Amino acid sequence: AQTVTQSQPEMSVQEAETVTLSCTYDTSESDYYLFWYKQPPSRQMILVIRQEAYKQQNATENRFSVNFQKAAKSFSLKISDSQLGDAAMYFCAYRSAKGGSEKLVFGKGTKLTVNP
Amino acid sequence: DAMVIQNPRYQVTQFGKPVTLSCSQTLNHNVMYWYQQKSSQAPKLLFHYYDKDFNNEADTPDNFQSRRPNTSFCFLDIRSPGLGDAAMYLCATSTRTTGVGYTFGSGTRLTVV
Repeated sequence: AQTVTQSQPEMSVQEAETVTLSCTYDTSESDYYLFWYKQPPSRQMILVIRQEAYKQQNATENRFSVNFQKAAKSFSLKISDSQLGDAAMYFCAYRSAKGGSEKLVFGKGTKLTVNP
Repeated sequence: DAMVIQNPRYQVTQFGKPVTLSCSQTLNHNVMYWYQQKSSQAPKLLFHYYDKDFNNEADTPDNFQSRRPNTSFCFLDIRSPGLGDAAMYLCATSTRTTGVGYTFGSGTRLTVV
């Protein structure tokens, strides 16, 4: 079974600075998808960014980018120019590309605090 | 806007009194999920429906059941809530295309008194 590990329960960053959240995963599959989700306090979980394992190029969405290292099974999230609204729980997640695999496997999350 | 709606946002129930949480979607996604999320923990999948096919996780207690009467609606029934069932319950939807992420509802926070 696949597992996702986020080794940083909490992180903090100064406003306008850059922060990197770590995620590693374990799988025997070669084709899969990786996601970062953001869950603000008492608010809906939303998708931040996704990465297709067969693509070498790292995904980027505005201030959010990933460093995907397939051989190392590492998928870190970099947030540039951090804003107060970035404060949230961040979950890394894995989904198999195998047909019929509906499950999303989550890590335990990293709580990000943004200091003004 | 197409979305996933959970009602109610907050639910208080008595110990042992059956409770039902609801989820509706306008995305026409064929997969619907129920997750349990306790404080500062990762969401834990309870079960999911692919169309009308029900898929229960092996470690989901029998106390939890679900119904999906049509594509748009899905219900989570807790037959006899215990104090340990107090949590946020998240509904999510997806297509079966595995590269697509989930769309989540806002969740229902269940308190058991």
